[in-house]
Amino acid sequence: DGGITQSPKYLFRKEGQNVTLSCEQNLNHDAMYWYRQDPGQGLRLIYYSQIVNDFQKGDIAEGYSVSREKKESFPLTVTSAQKNPTAFYLCATTTNYGYTFGSGTRLTVV
Amino acid sequence: GQSLEQPSEVTAVEGAIVQINCTYQTSGFYGLSWYQQHDGGAPTFLSYNGLDGLEETGRFSSFLSRSDSYGYLLLQELQMKDSASYFCAVRANQAGTALIFGKGTTLSVSS
Repeated sequence: DGGITQSPKYLFRKEGQNVTLSCEQNLNHDAMYWYRQDPGQGLRLIYYSQIVNDFQKGDIAEGYSVSREKKESFPLTVTSAQKNPTAFYLCATTTNYGYTFGSGTRLTVV
Repeated sequence: GQSLEQPSEVTAVEGAIVQINCTYQTSGFYGLSWYQQHDGGAPTFLSYNGLDGLEETGRFSSFLSRSDSYGYLLLQELQMKDSASYFCAVRANQAGTALIFGKGTTLSVSS
């Protein structure tokens, strides 16, 4: 069954720690995206990649990093430089005119 | 800057019709789409308008007027399961396909 998989579903980060969120797709799509959603807010673009080994910053890239070494995978690292990382993180890829999203990762700073 | 404006909340009763408006101000425009998100879940794609006019998909319809930078999502025969947040989104860049999202409209359907 084709789709996009995010893991883990819940993640807890200590102060000063880097954490990596996984996003894998088996839809054979070139473009992949990372969005952040805060409570009661819309989605804000962190990074996107249109092709392997290439990615672009979105509106709120500071404190985040990504890699795109394989077409199927687009992991997001939340670094210690991100001062307010508690949020719902969504990975997506495009299908026809819309996005297909993964189920998301809820990151909490403890 | 680029922005999409939509009402924060809408309430309705089962069986009713509700319209959620979206106005946008973006550097470019290559289509308006709508997403539904239930509490705790991920957004799911509902509809897309690339050209002016009405697109119908079952109980849901979406409209676009590019000259007015305006669109709406129309939900008919409302059901309790339609209680969710609804987001409009614009593709502002032809070269890339990253979407700009509105802040969402929370729809509450009561019996």
